[in-house]
Amino acid sequence: DTGVSQDPRHKITKRGQNVTFRCDPISEHNRLYWYRQTLGQGPEFLTYFQNEAQLEKSRLLSDRFSAERPKGSFSTLEIQRTEQGDSAMYLCASRGAAPGELFFGEGSRLTVL
Amino acid sequence: AQRVTQPEKLLSVFKGAPVELKCNYSYSGSPELFWYVQYSRQRLQLLLRHISRESIKGFTADLNKGETSFHLKKPFAQEEDSAMYYCALSGGKSTFGDGTTLTVKP
Repeated sequence: DTGVSQDPRHKITKRGQNVTFRCDPISEHNRLYWYRQTLGQGPEFLTYFQNEAQLEKSRLLSDRFSAERPKGSFSTLEIQRTEQGDSAMYLCASRGAAPGELFFGEGSRLTVL
Repeated sequence: AQRVTQPEKLLSVFKGAPVELKCNYSYSGSPELFWYVQYSRQRLQLLLRHISRESIKGFTADLNKGETSFHLKKPFAQEEDSAMYYCALSGGKSTFGDGTTLTVKP
């Protein structure tokens, strides 16, 4: 297990297009988190899952954003009708059942032209 | 609502000098606090957590519930400590501060 992996690492798209990011957590981790990070800011919470259940969504997550974790393993984050303001690094993290350390992926950088 | 504040965006010290990165939090429950570090071109990783009360790479942090602070300290900074440091509060979701960029000059 090489840790949390994210794909793609970089995505450039035109405004109005849809994009999807994938996150593969550490295999025994049941909690999976999505964050967004823009320049000069810390990671901003978007949503998290416990197994396949989406337990919390940030108000930042507009209707254009949807996340899934259908089998409680990998997760996808889709952004529909992208806007330039969506340009950011999208980070995925996972952890086990006990409260503690988050393990982060390297992130997926989105650029919307 | 939970919130984490790191008042310094940038901090620069000379090698061998003491360093303190400030973190204040707001949380109604019993907080779990962490410091994460991101070195250049690397992923975000845990530095230390308040529960373990350990020293990692010479860094320590003490939770002060009265002042709602969790400042990170190191008595003698090294050049390899130059990185971005984030304070985080865990309570279901995890809330991060905006980070402090530490530069240790030779």
